[in-house]
Amino acid sequence: DAGITQSPRHKVTETGTPVTLRCHQTENHRYMYWYRQDPGHGLRLIHYSYGVKDTDKGEVSDGYSVSRSKTEDFLLTLESATSSQTSVYFCAISAGLDPYEQYFGPGTRLTVT
Amino acid sequence: DQQVKQNSPSLSVQEGRISILNCDYTNSMFDYFLWYKKYPAEGPTFLISISSIKDKNEDGRFTVFLNKSAKHLSLHIVPSQPGDSAVYFCAADTSGNTPLVFGKGTRLSVIA
Repeated sequence: DAGITQSPRHKVTETGTPVTLRCHQTENHRYMYWYRQDPGHGLRLIHYSYGVKDTDKGEVSDGYSVSRSKTEDFLLTLESATSSQTSVYFCAISAGLDPYEQYFGPGTRLTVT
Repeated sequence: DQQVKQNSPSLSVQEGRISILNCDYTNSMFDYFLWYKKYPAEGPTFLISISSIKDKNEDGRFTVFLNKSAKHLSLHIVPSQPGDSAVYFCAADTSGNTPLVFGKGTRLSVIA
């Protein structure tokens, strides 16, 4: 199994509060990604990183920010959580972009009440 | 617009029979395709892939077929087993600095 951990694994928070999800890898892979999975929508890319301090937006980036200060950690922040951000969040890593395989973490289930 | 489409949200197959999961794409620049499998409460796991220079790739019970002219690929599972029951995601890649594009997934149920 790829060395990817996500924390927390479950979180319940109130609307309007800030939330940070953490992804940690031990593979020293260059690329890291944040996805959300929702019924009827599949996996949608939020943000990704192609190196320390290098990030780019994905398909559904509004309301989310990311940071990568170390190769092994990629943080996803919801500045002010909304109920529409209730979802399961997956982190993924890959060694390259062309071509490549992504390896996913176990997911974080976030509920915004 | 969805670039990768899995038009069947669900599929039910009897144990021992063939499962065929389909995927269509619209972007002719895609040149690498992957299938991922996802069990409940777990992250997706890579299953099998195929380059656009091939039309078939086989790995044990799993075979992926690519029809570039039709912009269509399919995953065949033979024989299907109850442990294959999961959600299957199709994904596509272009050569260059862009991430994978995923379909919405197909839930496969293999009935014993």
